[in-house]
Amino acid sequence: AQTVTQSQPEMSVQEAETVTLSCTYDTSESDYYLFWYKQPPSRQMILVIRQEAYKQQNATENRFSVNFQKAAKSFSLKISDSQLGDAAMYFCAYRSARWGSNYKLTFGKGTLLTVNP
Amino acid sequence: SQTIHQWPATLVQPVGSPLSLECTVEGTSNPNLYWYRQAAGRGLQLLFYSVGIGQISSEVPQNLSASRPQDRQFILSSKKLLLSDSGFYLCAWSVLGSGGSKETQYFGPGTRLLVL
Repeated sequence: AQTVTQSQPEMSVQEAETVTLSCTYDTSESDYYLFWYKQPPSRQMILVIRQEAYKQQNATENRFSVNFQKAAKSFSLKISDSQLGDAAMYFCAYRSARWGSNYKLTFGKGTLLTVNP
Repeated sequence: SQTIHQWPATLVQPVGSPLSLECTVEGTSNPNLYWYRQAAGRGLQLLFYSVGIGQISSEVPQNLSASRPQDRQFILSSKKLLLSDSGFYLCAWSVLGSGGSKETQYFGPGTRLLVL
């Protein structure tokens, strides 16, 4: 079974600075998808960024980018120019691309990001 | 654009009472639909998913059930709530994406359920 590990329960960053959130995963599959979701105090899960495992190029979305290291099974999220609105719980998630898989997203336990003014 | 609605937003129910949570998606057709539960301070756990009307798959055996009476409607139910059913319930949807599968899930605003 796949597992997702976020080793940093909490992180903090100064406004306008850069922070990196770590995520590692364990899988025997070669094709899969990885995601970062943000959960602000409202608790709605918001998609931040996604990565297809077959793509070597790291995904970027404005101030958010990932460092995808397939061999190391690592998928970190970098937030540049941090803003107060970035404060939230961040979840890393894995989904198999195998045909017939159960579409399940496997989530890590989350990293609580605090942004200091 | 697609939107997803969940109601109610908050629910306080006594132990042993029935439950019905509703999720509807607008602006898309033939979505996959999902029910997740998030216990306090924990990640999300998939409860049910559906690939079409009347097609429900259960991930966790428990006293909850799900139904999909219409293409864009997904309902989570229970006949008798337990204390352990308290939590935050999230509905999600996915449609065919650039990856060739319905791989990306988008979440609704959630329902906070407290069972007393």
